[in-house]
Amino acid sequence: GAVVSQHPSRVICKSGTSVKIECRSLDFQATTMFWYRQFPKQSLMLMATSNEGSKATYEQGVEKDKFLINHASLTLSTLTVTSAHPEDSSFYICSASDRGPGTDTQYFGPGTRLTVL
Amino acid sequence: GIQVEQSPPDLILQEGANSTLRCNFSDSVNNLQWFHQNPWGQLINLFYIPSGTKQNGRLSATTVATERYSLLYISSSQTTDSGVYFCAVELKTSGSRLTFGEGTQLTVNP
Repeated sequence: GAVVSQHPSRVICKSGTSVKIECRSLDFQATTMFWYRQFPKQSLMLMATSNEGSKATYEQGVEKDKFLINHASLTLSTLTVTSAHPEDSSFYICSASDRGPGTDTQYFGPGTRLTVL
Repeated sequence: GIQVEQSPPDLILQEGANSTLRCNFSDSVNNLQWFHQNPWGQLINLFYIPSGTKQNGRLSATTVATERYSLLYISSSQTTDSGVYFCAVELKTSGSRLTFGEGTQLTVNP
């Protein structure tokens, strides 16, 4: 089946620093990738849709200048949390869309747990 | 926006029992997926099921699109089935964007 990887799996950083998270589709090409955030005991909330070769589309309430998304190739999207603060601590999960005849399935990466001190 | 409601929010079973999880959605959808989130946070695809019935081992799912609900059946539950089960839907007009329900926390005791 389709595999999506994320790196790093866990990161701890100081307040004010920037953190980059990579999301890769390993065995298929994904023109569209998605970034989600999940707080403890809560559901996944979509942050943005990342389209290869174009600007990301952000959900209402998500600051595009704080959460920079780049989708430079059909297998790689990156999320950079700029000037991170403790309230940005969360579990960040990416997904990649694998479209085919009769299917449009999203496959999820293992997630990145960000802790901002 | 679309609303996705899952029930029950929590479910505790003894190993070997069967269960049914429900997902109601408020609008017409192109896509519906069921996921299992394991204790480490990984979301595992269970079913892509915008309509009809599918089975995979002890799991099966049915979506009745016209009545806007989907059911996930777990038979002969095992302790490894524990975790959170999410249903997520894609609106016909949302361009592959998934909206997640709040999930069902399943605990299977030995």
